[in-house]
Amino acid sequence: EVQLVESGGTVVRPGGSLRLSCVTSGFNFEDHGMSWVRQVPGRGLEWVSGINWNGNNLAYTDSVKGRFTISRDNGKNSLYLQMNNLRAEDTALYHCARGLTPARDNAFDFWGQGTLVTVSS
Amino acid sequence: IVLTQSPGTLSLSPGERAILSCRASQTVPSSFLAWYQHKTGQTPRLLIYGVFRRATGIPDRFSGSGSGADFTLTISRLEPEDFAVYYCQQYGNSPVTFGPGTTVDV
Repeated sequence: EVQLVESGGTVVRPGGSLRLSCVTSGFNFEDHGMSWVRQVPGRGLEWVSGINWNGNNLAYTDSVKGRFTISRDNGKNSLYLQMNNLRAEDTALYHCARGLTPARDNAFDFWGQGTLVTVSS
Repeated sequence: IVLTQSPGTLSLSPGERAILSCRASQTVPSSFLAWYQHKTGQTPRLLIYGVFRRATGIPDRFSGSGSGADFTLTISRLEPEDFAVYYCQQYGNSPVTFGPGTTVDV
């Protein structure tokens, strides 16, 4: 059974940092690109960042460039998102999502339940 | 690429046909266009990828069509479990983007 389990979300002050993790199981992690997708409660989906199968091709949405860093550890079947200089508008539920292919940009066939990040003073 | 979905809300009854539109601000490269169903409290469910390819386990009442910058998701006969929010997504041009969603309600 494919599983993606996120962690690391919490309440943080503006300007603070967080590291989100996504531990996966039930599939060959190296066969898939991965992404982080966020959703503000009651609003739509926003793709945040993506990474290809071996981690050498990365992309970010404009609003997080220079502040967020995506990475993966294929030996640990895990995906990460380092979030620095957090802003109130980063408040959202952050989902880890599995890509259909090894490429960076993908449709996503499995999603984690998400971890909630709240940026507030 | 900015995606626009219409209508914002579609009010229908079980058994009726639903036609959802997704329009891109420019041609979606390689027809990399997907559709998702999202219900409150659940994770998004991939329905269609590559414009018309049904994802694993998706019933054939869901179909995708279109090309270039205009795409459609059709639900041939609505079942009670189909009432949800539907998002289109393009992944042919970076950054990946989602549309704002169409709510299909009773």
